[in-house]
Amino acid sequence: KQEVTQIPAALSVPEGENLVLNCSFTDSAIYNLQWFRQDPGKGLTSLLLIQSSQREQTSGRLNASLDKSSGRSTLYIAASQPGDSATYLCAVRTQGGSEKLVFGKGTKLTVNP
Amino acid sequence: GAVVSQHPSWVICKSGTSVKIECRSLDFQATTMFWYRQFPKQSLMLMATSNEGSKATYEQGVEKDKFLINHASLTLSTLTVTSAHPEDSSFYICSARALRRMPSTDTQYFGPGTRLTVL
Repeated sequence: KQEVTQIPAALSVPEGENLVLNCSFTDSAIYNLQWFRQDPGKGLTSLLLIQSSQREQTSGRLNASLDKSSGRSTLYIAASQPGDSATYLCAVRTQGGSEKLVFGKGTKLTVNP
Repeated sequence: GAVVSQHPSWVICKSGTSVKIECRSLDFQATTMFWYRQFPKQSLMLMATSNEGSKATYEQGVEKDKFLINHASLTLSTLTVTSAHPEDSSFYICSARALRRMPSTDTQYFGPGTRLTVL
């Protein structure tokens, strides 16, 4: 059974800092991995999707890496801004045809001005 | 593009009543929609996968007679929580996969969620 863990559960940083969020998964046989952003009481916004054959994806100040063999992914946020404050969720889609996404509990990020 | 809406955004009901939540893909057709549930400080948990024109597939531990799913068209899926109880209070989120793959992703597009509170 696939399990996804995100560390830390919460993180508070001053504006302008670079930061890393961590995600680990127990079954390395994944189809892809996604990072989402969730604002309080809101739905999810997809940030980056990494296919199992890829090592990283970049979008603006965000960079996500994937090490499938070790079951790890990181989300790097450069030059953080107060608007980046949200909960960041990691989700994996396991191989085998199922479209099921398995989510971590998320990391709640607060960027202080 | 790729907008998914949910209605209502929040609902409060009395114990024992039934509540229907709608999930619509606004600018694309979705053969598959997914229903998730999120309890406070917990991860999203998939409840069921809904395919247009066929019966939904429920995850282990989810009562199909309690959570009725109808995927009547390529743009609409509904989740009905029957005889709701306080323990059903949660944040319900749907997602939709496009009929035609979006050019850059293999992703599911998520709705804004529905907050259900059962008194």
